[in-house]
Amino acid sequence: QKEVEQNSGPLSVPEGAIASLNCTYSDRGSQSFFWYRQYSGKSPELIMSIYSNGDKEDGRFTAQLNKASQYVSLLIRDSQPSDSATYLCAALRPGATNKLIFGTGTLLAVQP
Amino acid sequence: NAGVTQTPKFQVLKTGQSMTLQCAQDMNHNSMYWYRQDPGMGLRLIYYSASEGTTDKGEVPNGYNVSRLNKREFSLRLESAAPSQTSVYFCATLLLSSDEQFFGPGTRLTVL
Repeated sequence: QKEVEQNSGPLSVPEGAIASLNCTYSDRGSQSFFWYRQYSGKSPELIMSIYSNGDKEDGRFTAQLNKASQYVSLLIRDSQPSDSATYLCAALRPGATNKLIFGTGTLLAVQP
Repeated sequence: NAGVTQTPKFQVLKTGQSMTLQCAQDMNHNSMYWYRQDPGMGLRLIYYSASEGTTDKGEVPNGYNVSRLNKREFSLRLESAAPSQTSVYFCATLLLSSDEQFFGPGTRLTVL
């Protein structure tokens, strides 16, 4: 079992809808969590980070963290076709090593 | 891919050959990572380095070695390449205190 789990998708949503992407992690020592977007053939790029329980908003993106349930999510409001990409979740165990583990990613397709 | 360079971009090897993938950053980030990405597998951590002079094994270290001789450079060596090492390799950096993380452009490696 991977330390960070994601549904591989594809997740298909119509343009303008809310896309909800989910992630679970198994290492309770993980303290920081990150969401990345990766277009086909490109490198991942960091969208958001979240460290505390609750919600964190940045523009159309909202990250949610529940450490008790070991659950992280990313909501994309007003989804656009340009949001179509693979979304990767990652968990960091900070400290001496800063080990950063990724999930397998969820493919999002926004239909015009 | 600002600030993180990887060489080469493409490489074809024969089984048993050796090679070193180079990664360099100019952002003064402490942590550096090597990942491989295969279809449907997400990013898998090979080795990582929290700081100059330290390295740790990740999820899939077998068949690889790394070297972090200075803060800027983190190299990945394949001593005896195998077809199972055919993949896209990404180098990444992280500065946790300022939420900065960047990926290099990737190296596409094929082992015949």
